[in-house]
Amino acid sequence: KQEVTQIPAALSVPEGENLVLNCSFTDSAIYNLQWFRQDPGKGLTSLLLIQSSQREQTSGRLNASLDKSSGRSTLYIAASQPGDSATYLCAVMYSGGGADGLTFGKGTHLIIQP
Amino acid sequence: NAGVTQTPKFQVLKTGQSMTLQCAQDMNHEYMSWYRQDPGMGLRLIHYSVGAGITDQGEVPNGYNVSRSTTEDFPLRLLSAAPSQTSVYFCASSYGRKPYEQYFGPGTRLTVT
Repeated sequence: KQEVTQIPAALSVPEGENLVLNCSFTDSAIYNLQWFRQDPGKGLTSLLLIQSSQREQTSGRLNASLDKSSGRSTLYIAASQPGDSATYLCAVMYSGGGADGLTFGKGTHLIIQP
Repeated sequence: NAGVTQTPKFQVLKTGQSMTLQCAQDMNHEYMSWYRQDPGMGLRLIHYSVGAGITDQGEVPNGYNVSRSTTEDFPLRLLSAAPSQTSVYFCASSYGRKPYEQYFGPGTRLTVT
């Protein structure tokens, strides 16, 4: 069974710092990996989608990398801002059969201090 | 486009009551799915549909029914609500199966007393 782990569970840093969120998955048979942002009491906002054949994707201050063979992805946030405070979720779409859906990690709760 | 919409936003039920959570999308997406989010558990797949008339079970389907009569709508039915179904429910859609980006609705917060 595919399992997704996110480290750290919580992170608090001063504004302006660059930071890295980590995601690992147990089975490298994936179609893609998606990073989401979730604000308190809100839905999920898609940040970046990396297909299994890709190594990284960039959007503004965000950069996500994927190393399928080692089962790892990182989300790099440059020059963090208080508005980046949210929970960040990593999810993989497994290609090894079974239900067609995303397997999620439990998230990293990020606080950017002004 | 409104994207993925869900109604209601909040609902309180008593044990044994039934209700339907509504989900609609206006992006002509073939794939739709339902997840529940519980503290400390992450999001888990309940049911999904790869097109009108086709549904299948996810990781935690017990106590829930779905149907897909149109491309746009994918309602989730709770037949006899139980306190264990207290959760936040999210609907998602994507253009097709597996390799495509998933878009999520704002969620329905359900409490069963």
